[in-house]
This record gives sequence, structure tokens and C-alpha cells, in this order.
Amino acid sequence: QQPVQSPQAVILREGEDAVINCSSSKALYSVHWYRQKHGEAPVFLMILLKGGEQKGHEKISASFNEKKQQSSLYLTASQLSYSGTYFCGTDNTDKLIFGTGTRLQVFP
Amino acid sequence: EAQVTQNPRYLITVTGKKLTVTCSQNMNHEYMSWYRQDPGLGLRQIYYSMNVEVTDKGDVPEGYKVSRKEKRNFPLILESPSPNQTSLYFCASSPTPGGPYEQYFGPGTRLTVT
Repeated sequence: QQPVQSPQAVILREGEDAVINCSSSKALYSVHWYRQKHGEAPVFLMILLKGGEQKGHEKISASFNEKKQQSSLYLTASQLSYSGTYFCGTDNTDKLIFGTGTRLQVFP
Repeated sequence: EAQVTQNPRYLITVTGKKLTVTCSQNMNHEYMSWYRQDPGLGLRQIYYSMNVEVTDKGDVPEGYKVSRKEKRNFPLILESPSPNQTSLYFCASSPTPGGPYEQYFGPGTRLTVT
């Protein structure tokens, strides 16, 4: 079952903050976050593992509440380059199931 | 350059005509996967492979086949394509054995079945 993302869309001014949430009805082993710009392939942002380990490329922070089966992605001091669609992915085996995405638009 | 390549990038075909979309990675990754992306539905996993000769079904495997005879290649086969398989397809690979961790995506293949 797909994780549920909220909100579905966010509009920001440069420098503003945003939070994107991801929740699952199943117990999770890990949560993955990706960003996809229009017409491009998804790009890995971060993975949060059960037990607290995190691995990511960019200066983006996230949290993973294992008990609530929820994760949140925190985008602070947003830049124009943050625009795109953000997907969370969850897995409790070897399968990765993505949410339907949150579209983020950052304006000057 | 480390990358995942897919061919073709665009394909228009007719119902029932067998086709293969190739995927190749030059990073010696063990894990490879295929996804389809449809508006409003996000990315859905079709098949994945943990290593050579090891493949398994994802969330939407019906109508697709895969093979993993070499580590670098993971072709997606549509034996008898139908219009509901019109979609944007992504291949991805991951360096981490044992799971779909940090994934590198190919550029995508836009398939139209008429």
C-alpha cells in the first residue's frame, strides 16, 4: 500500500520553510526521499533507517518516527533550486513503494 | 562517467508487438529495479533484482518480464504491450547490497502503445 504524502502541493517564496510529511499503514524498515525536477529523473536526497541511521547528500533534514510509521522532510530557507516534486518511498522488505508526491514551487 | 542508461528514450508502438527496453549501469551495482510513472500515481515498482539471476516482482509486475544475466544489464520486456502500459519508465540501480538504498535513476523511457 502506498504511503500517504501531505500536503499534495506547496508554494513558497525564496527563504521560506516547508515540511513534507509521509505516513504508512505498515511497519517500516526505512524511509527514502527523492526529488524530481520537471522532465528529469528522480534524484536521491536521503534515507532514514530504523534505529536512527541517516544517509543523505544535501543539506536537507528529515525525521523518522518508527512507532508512528511517519517521516517528515524539512526544507529550510528554501531556494529556487528546491522546486520539484518530492517523493517518499517506504520499504519493509526489498520492495520500495513510493508515495504519489508533493509538488513544491519556490518563487523569487 | 558513472551512469544508468536506457534505450530507447522514446518509443511508439502498437498493441501486441513485443518490445524490449534496455537498461545498463557502469557502477558495478548489485541492486537494479524498474519503475513506471503515471500522473497522480507516483513511481510504482515493476520488478527488481538483488543480483545476477535473482529477480522478484514489485508492486505492478503484470504484463512485464525481466532478466538479469549480467550484473550491468537489466532489460524490461513487454511480450504483448497494451495501451494501459503507456507510461514513463525508469530504470534504477543501487550500490548497497541487500536493499534498495540510495538509487541512481536512468533518464527514462517514454512509451506509447496505440
